[in-house]
Amino acid sequence: DAGVIQSPRHEVTEMGQEVTLRCKPISGHNSLFWYRQTMMRGLELLIYFNNNVPIDDSGMPEDRFSAKMPNASFSTLKIQPSEPRDSAVYFCASRVGTLRQPQHFGDGTRLSIL
Amino acid sequence: AQTVTQSQPEMSVQEAETVTLSCTYDTSESDYYLFWYKQPPSRQMILVIRQEAYKQQNATENRFSVNFQKAAKSFSLKISDSQLGDAAMYFCAANSGGGADGLTFGKGTHLIIQP
Repeated sequence: DAGVIQSPRHEVTEMGQEVTLRCKPISGHNSLFWYRQTMMRGLELLIYFNNNVPIDDSGMPEDRFSAKMPNASFSTLKIQPSEPRDSAVYFCASRVGTLRQPQHFGDGTRLSIL
Repeated sequence: AQTVTQSQPEMSVQEAETVTLSCTYDTSESDYYLFWYKQPPSRQMILVIRQEAYKQQNATENRFSVNFQKAAKSFSLKISDSQLGDAAMYFCAANSGGGADGLTFGKGTHLIIQP
């Protein structure tokens, strides 16, 4: 079975540019989560979707961040404009059923903003 | 709101020995779920084991087991017969629900396996 697929695996761009991270959840999973991992703050939840609907975006750091899930098989996390402090590893995870079930993570996107 | 604390930034164990990684958590919910994830240098986040708070029996997955102490809000991971491939960062995580969703992670423990 294919796991959660994230692209790109690495992204290096200059400050001020728009960055789009992509995620394909596991087929049949109804919840999708975006996390950010940094040395200083560890792993933090940014936003999650249930049945393609954004439920809680309180973890999104600023208005520069936005996320969409146009259908059950695709989600994007966009940063515009990007800043050096946005440099981190961004993970997407998906889950079937309720919170008692484990989340399955993609391999992450390492984002470097110069 | 929930919090997860891992007080051991780094642990070291000899190959084939047993090691225990500590985790404490806090939540106001009565029904919640606890997880241990492993993150090797490849960066993947791999589920190791999970525990449902309403179950008194400690979860076990092969060489991995937990010691779940609900009253103490403690959820430690025991790795038996440590292998070189166990070397990784280990993250404890909780999901309490209560109208919210998503995992809250501890800061992680870096496990070193000495050959």
